[in-house]
Amino acid sequence: EAGVAQSPRYKIIEKRQSVAFWCNPISGHATLYWYQQILGQGPKLLIQFQNNGVVDDSQLPKDRFSAERLKGVDSTLKIQPAKLEDSAVYLCASSLDGLAGTPINPGPLLAQYFGPGTRLLVL
Amino acid sequence: AQKVTQAQTEISVVEKEDVTLDCVYETRDTTYYLFWYKQPPSGELVFLIRRNSFDEQNEISGRYSWNFQKSTSSFNFTITASQVVDSAVYFCALRRAGNMLTFGGGTRLMVKP
Repeated sequence: EAGVAQSPRYKIIEKRQSVAFWCNPISGHATLYWYQQILGQGPKLLIQFQNNGVVDDSQLPKDRFSAERLKGVDSTLKIQPAKLEDSAVYLCASSLDGLAGTPINPGPLLAQYFGPGTRLLVL
Repeated sequence: AQKVTQAQTEISVVEKEDVTLDCVYETRDTTYYLFWYKQPPSGELVFLIRRNSFDEQNEISGRYSWNFQKSTSSFNFTITASQVVDSAVYFCALRRAGNMLTFGGGTRLMVKP
């Protein structure tokens, strides 16, 4: 089974420029997540989609960050304009949650599966 | 509010030693889920285990074992007979039903030959 795909793997931009990241989740996964992981820290959720709707974007800096998942499959995360403190790894994850008929005790279904991440450096 | 604390930022052991990674969590929910993820140098987070709050049975998978104690809000992870390939950053995480994952700060494990 193919995992979560992300591109690009690396990106270097100057501050005030724009950048976009792409994510394709595991086939059939209803829920998609974007995380920001600053060096030396644990990942922090930016936004969570279930199908094409936003479930949680409370930690997304909406003045500069935006994300969409128009067809409920792949997703893009954009930063405009970028700041130095946006340098981080941006991780995309997906999970099966939200499908009709999910068992009460679903075993690994509530696990989030992560992509390789996009490492962003803002100069 | 939810919080996950991994007090050990870095652990160094020699190959074949046993090592335990500590995880303490805080939540007001009665139903929640705990996870461990491994992040090798390649950067990808690898799912290791999920545990429900209503299931305190400990689990063993090969050299890995997990000790969940609700009374102390801990979910510790032990690697028996560690190997160099176990070197990575390990994250403990907490998830409420239908909600986001809250990660701890991670523990960097270095296994030396």
